[in-house]
Amino acid sequence: TQLLEQSPQFLSIQEGENLTVYCNSSSVFSSLQWYRQEPGEGPVLLVTVVTGGEVKKLKRLTFQFGDARKDSSLHITAAQPGDTGLYLCAGGLYGNKLVFGAGTILRVKS
Amino acid sequence: GAVVSQHPSWVICKSGTSVKIECRSLDFQATTMFWYRQFPKQSLMLMATSNEGSKATYEQGVEKDKFLINHASLTLSTLTVTSAHPEDSSFYICSARPLTKRYEQYFGPGTRLTVT
Repeated sequence: TQLLEQSPQFLSIQEGENLTVYCNSSSVFSSLQWYRQEPGEGPVLLVTVVTGGEVKKLKRLTFQFGDARKDSSLHITAAQPGDTGLYLCAGGLYGNKLVFGAGTILRVKS
Repeated sequence: GAVVSQHPSWVICKSGTSVKIECRSLDFQATTMFWYRQFPKQSLMLMATSNEGSKATYEQGVEKDKFLINHASLTLSTLTVTSAHPEDSSFYICSARPLTKRYEQYFGPGTRLTVT
């Protein structure tokens, strides 16, 4: 079983629509990172959240860390074709290891 | 800032040979680097944690004698795939944690290994 459950697995939407990706766990994490990865490249860090209830905004992206530090969400407003990619959440564990969710493949059609 | 490079970006080798992949943090020091493996359209699987000046810690199911890791300095870690077989073909990605940032890891661009 996956320690960090990420959903949905696939998302295909039209340009301009909003979307939310969720990551849930029964474990408490010291931090939660969100990454975006394009084919053939390494993941690029989007944000790190460390405080329960924390909300961070990055242009049209809003990231939230649950109060109990067990879950997180990524909300994209008015999605654009350039947002297409693989989105990964990763929870920080003791020893600084990261455990990754399964990923969400997002496709934004123009 | 926080740039990580990997070399080579892709490599093709014959079955039975060994391949070395380098991971460098270009503009920061990292006592800890991590090696991941990724299959197409899947998430990252942690293989091992590499600590500067000490032995790597391998995840369960990862053969330490097959995947040799050396972390010789605060900016360089290497992964050597020994006696490679076709099933070792994959996308290998490293990451590095800056000394000054407790929670964050920065990833390299990955190395595509194909074993024929």
